[in-house]
Amino acid sequence: GDSVTQMEGPVTLSEEAFLTINCTYTATGYPSLFWYVQYPGEGLQLLLKATKADDKGSNKGFEATYRKETTSFHLEKGSVQVSDSAVYFCALSDPDYGGSQGNLIFGKGTKLSVKP
Amino acid sequence: EAGVVQSPRYKIIEKKQPVAFWCNPISGHNTLYWYRQNLGQGPELLIRYENEEAVDDSQLPKDRFSAERLKGVDSTLKIQPAELGDSAVYLCASSPPRIAGGRWGTDTQYFGPGTRLTVL
Repeated sequence: GDSVTQMEGPVTLSEEAFLTINCTYTATGYPSLFWYVQYPGEGLQLLLKATKADDKGSNKGFEATYRKETTSFHLEKGSVQVSDSAVYFCALSDPDYGGSQGNLIFGKGTKLSVKP
Repeated sequence: EAGVVQSPRYKIIEKKQPVAFWCNPISGHNTLYWYRQNLGQGPELLIRYENEEAVDDSQLPKDRFSAERLKGVDSTLKIQPAELGDSAVYLCASSPPRIAGGRWGTDTQYFGPGTRLTVL
């Protein structure tokens, strides 16, 4: 079945460091891909998304490119801030996945801590 | 615009007791989801509603879990009786109507803050 694999955490970086969180997926069809973020004490919120191959999603300085050939959607940010400390979840939604079209399938999450 | 509202935020119960969670989605959102998030894991879908209809409940443990969405607006998820393994965060999410001819799964899901359940 469909699945998402993302790099294990926790990831600890200094402020202004470069961030990469790897995400790869397995899907039956041609999924849409998402990054959600969960700040401490808050609910999940969409960070960015891409709905077709080669699309780049971007928001708040974060970027991710939908790579069909490598089935990847890695999250990057050029200069992290302390306020970026959170748990990041990669997810997919597969329109061809039986009766579960539209359902999100999440990775396990990667906890990011940014030190001043 | 108000977000997805869930209550209670926290619940502690003894095993074998019943418990219920309530969710009010964003106004106009016809699709409602319940997810369970175990500690250190990503959320996993329990049930999805399109208006009043449960269109995907394949992952809902039906021997002890039930859900309803009367009138196609707010929803209640119930566990009876609760077991130790049910300790988790229960998340509700909603999404707007799919655009006619649009692809499934491209819509953003908006999540509530969750209910943290502890079963002792």
